[in-house]
Amino acid sequence: GAGVSQSPSNKVTEKGKDVELRCDPISGHTALYWYRQSLGQGLEFLIYFQGNSAPDKSGLPSDRFSAERTGGSVSTLTIQRTQQEDSAVYLCASSPWVGPSYEQYFGPGTRLTVT
Amino acid sequence: GQQVMQIPQYQHVQEGEDFTTYCNSSTTLSNIQWYKQRPGGHPVFLIQLVKSGEVKKQKRLTFQFGEAKKNSSLHITATQTTDVGTYFCAGQSNTGKLIFGQGTTLQVKP
Repeated sequence: GAGVSQSPSNKVTEKGKDVELRCDPISGHTALYWYRQSLGQGLEFLIYFQGNSAPDKSGLPSDRFSAERTGGSVSTLTIQRTQQEDSAVYLCASSPWVGPSYEQYFGPGTRLTVT
Repeated sequence: GQQVMQIPQYQHVQEGEDFTTYCNSSTTLSNIQWYKQRPGGHPVFLIQLVKSGEVKKQKRLTFQFGEAKKNSSLHITATQTTDVGTYFCAGQSNTGKLIFGQGTTLQVKP
């Protein structure tokens, strides 16, 4: 079946503009994660959603970052007033359940460049 | 907060040499997962270890989970150029959140 998809694949924006990044998880997966990966760096956790529970926002770096997940499926990560340090690849992952036994399936990522 | 540390950050080996990356958690983990990210790609799940002291093998790859469930290792025997990439461990806490290590980037010289 279809994997996790993300759009756009690349986004170039000017400093100060807002951007929206979209993630379509695998159908039926209740858990959804957002990560940020700077060039040559590891995965920085941003936020995760699980079912109808309140999301864990503990990884969001500032109040310019927010995320929504509508209807328990598609998620949008919004970055307001973008800064150059926001440039990175933003990865989304979904999992059938937030629990001890389920792997995460990653999307291809959105490469964000802030000029 | 809970942290997962991974060493080394980089490793360069000659093709045919062995390679090991180590992962340590500040707290006991429910399980540990390993992922591989090829250059330009996204992380792909390799394996999950759940039991204390568990050892699993995938061809030339051997994964171990420590007795205290706080550390893990990935060992590759006789590396090949296809093994190039970054290997991440990810520990799952009892709250369900997956915490990734910083990754070990492996370069293999042919």
